[in-house]
Amino acid sequence: ETGVTQTPRHLVMGMTNKKSLKCEQHLGHNAMYWYKQSAKKPLELMFVYNFKEQTENNSVPSRFSPECPNSSHLFLHLHTLQPEDSALYLCASSPRTAENEKLFFGSGTQLSVL
Amino acid sequence: AQKVTQAQTEISVVEKEDVTLDCVYETRDTTYYLFWYKQPPSGELVFLIRRNSFDEQNEISGRYSWNFQKSTSSFNFTITASQVVDSAVYFCALNSGSARQLTFGSGTQLTVLP
Repeated sequence: ETGVTQTPRHLVMGMTNKKSLKCEQHLGHNAMYWYKQSAKKPLELMFVYNFKEQTENNSVPSRFSPECPNSSHLFLHLHTLQPEDSALYLCASSPRTAENEKLFFGSGTQLSVL
Repeated sequence: AQKVTQAQTEISVVEKEDVTLDCVYETRDTTYYLFWYKQPPSGELVFLIRRNSFDEQNEISGRYSWNFQKSTSSFNFTITASQVVDSAVYFCALNSGSARQLTFGSGTQLTVLP
């Protein structure tokens, strides 16, 4: 138990659906992250939030829309996804965004886009 | 730019064997941090170790040991007397000031057979 909870664990959606991924951390951290993990590829950083403000957007397509209402919650809103978006989406948190901080990860949402 | 290479995609060993996972990194920064994470089948990445660029001392934690060599830009991870529970994907990662984000290698899938 890392203190970071992601829901749902599995999600199947059609290309025209709209769905949301949720992440909640109980660690009192101020930074939260979304990563994408595709088969046979390194983890890709998607978004970074620090004190609820987005500080990084790694050229992510607009069909992925993050939301961070407070330092404990992070959402990823999905709409009109493509089959190549199928992947494991991991949320993480850390006390700060400094380069020496270790990240605490959730178990991820396995997303399948049909 | 920073880069992490884990050349070993998959390794399979028999229980009680020793195994070394290789990690080679690239960065132009003089201050940086190296990490190892373990991803069991449950999905969440679990932090194992952090090492800063000014500390080349090797570290041992139980059956785990890490060999950091700046001369070869390597940060290798050895598991002694492997156990079935060590089966997981292991990621090496790098964060340096200029990159402002954690860069992961592609991971090594370790399978320990009984």
